[in-house]
Parts: sequence; structure tokens; C-alpha cells
Amino acid sequence: DAMVIQNPRYQVTQFGKPVTLSCSQTLNHNVMYWYQQKSSQAPKLLFHYYDKDFNNEADTPDNFQSRRPNTSFCFLDIRSPGLGDAAMYLCATSYGVDETQYFGPGTRLLVL
Amino acid sequence: ELKVEQNPLFLSMQEGKNYTIYCNYSTTSDRLYWYRQDPGKSLESLFVLLSNGAVKQEGRLMASLDTKARLSTLHITAAVHDLSATYFCAVDHTGTASKLTFGTGTRLQVTL
Repeated sequence: DAMVIQNPRYQVTQFGKPVTLSCSQTLNHNVMYWYQQKSSQAPKLLFHYYDKDFNNEADTPDNFQSRRPNTSFCFLDIRSPGLGDAAMYLCATSYGVDETQYFGPGTRLLVL
Repeated sequence: ELKVEQNPLFLSMQEGKNYTIYCNYSTTSDRLYWYRQDPGKSLESLFVLLSNGAVKQEGRLMASLDTKARLSTLHITAAVHDLSATYFCAVDHTGTASKLTFGTGTRLQVTL
């Protein structure tokens, strides 16, 4: 089945230790998104790729970076995680900008 | 800045009862989504509403959109326990790449 896959599902890191979260998709969608969702809050868009074009949200901290080496994969890099970065990170994809976004299962990040 | 508000934030209802969740948004948009999220899980797409007056139904859920009033509703008919989840509306920013702003979420609890 075509799907959006995120690895790992759970990630524990230490304060200040860089961490990378992975997203892959078999939907052949050209747009990929990263959202941050803190406990009991709505998802918040961090950035998205339209094909190879990177689009950062104005209020996304510099601590968050992303890479998209090919259509299928997208990575979220947190350079120096703080306690406030503990959250569920959701990857989503869509085919073009006018289509429904499909979400992966998420990676829950814990910062010690 | 686009603001999306839902009410109620929490809803406890008995099985068999009907209720409506409201989603208000602050700026023009022609596309509105409803998502469901089970605890600790990702987001599942329920409906996409693309034009004024759009109405979509799936099982016990029916969603509608009034773009003039900037209001969407999610109506639950004869609730069952399996509908217990958090429901988010999300508004697509008009004229930009698909960038969703999520509502605050409504946590629905259906009791026996």
C-alpha cells in the first residue's frame, strides 16, 4: 500500500545533541511537509518542500533544518534540541498544492 | 495572520446523541479540511471542502462549509463510542502553496 513512513517512531535524545528524523513516501507526491505537534496542541507547520524548493515558515527556529535528497525522502534535523522541542513530529505529503495532505504516523521526540 | 478557532474544545456526549462542532476562521479561504486524531496517533483525513455550500457525509459524520461566514461545521449523528477522538479543522491559505493552519481541536468523548 502506498504510504508515508516515519522513522524512528520514538526518539530519545539529550539536551543539545543533534538528532535527525526521517520521512519517506511511496505516494510519489511532490510536496512534503514537516509539522510539530506539542501535547494537546494543534499541529504547527515548520516548513515544506515543493519539489526541490524549500519553504520555511517565518517563525520556525533556526535550530530546525530540513533536507530532501530525492522525491521519496525528507529529513528533519534538529541541531541542538532543547527541552521545549519535545513533541510529536509529523511528516505529510500531497500531490501539488491543491490536494489533501496525507500524514505519516509521527515520531515522538523526548529530550532529556 | 490566519486564526482558526474551534468550539467546543472538549465534548462529552452519550451514545446515540447528535452534536455539532464549529470551526471559525479569520481570513478568506476556499479549502477546508477535517482530520481525526486518535490518542498518540497521526492525523486521518476525513473531509475536504472546496467551495461555498459544500457538504460531505461519511457514515455518522457530515461536514459543511460556508465561506461567506468563514464557518465550517462537523455534525455527528447518533454518536457511537468509536467516534471518540480529537477532531481538527484545518484551513488552507488562499493563494499560496498548501499551508494548513489547524484549529485548536475538539476532543470528543462518547460515553456508553
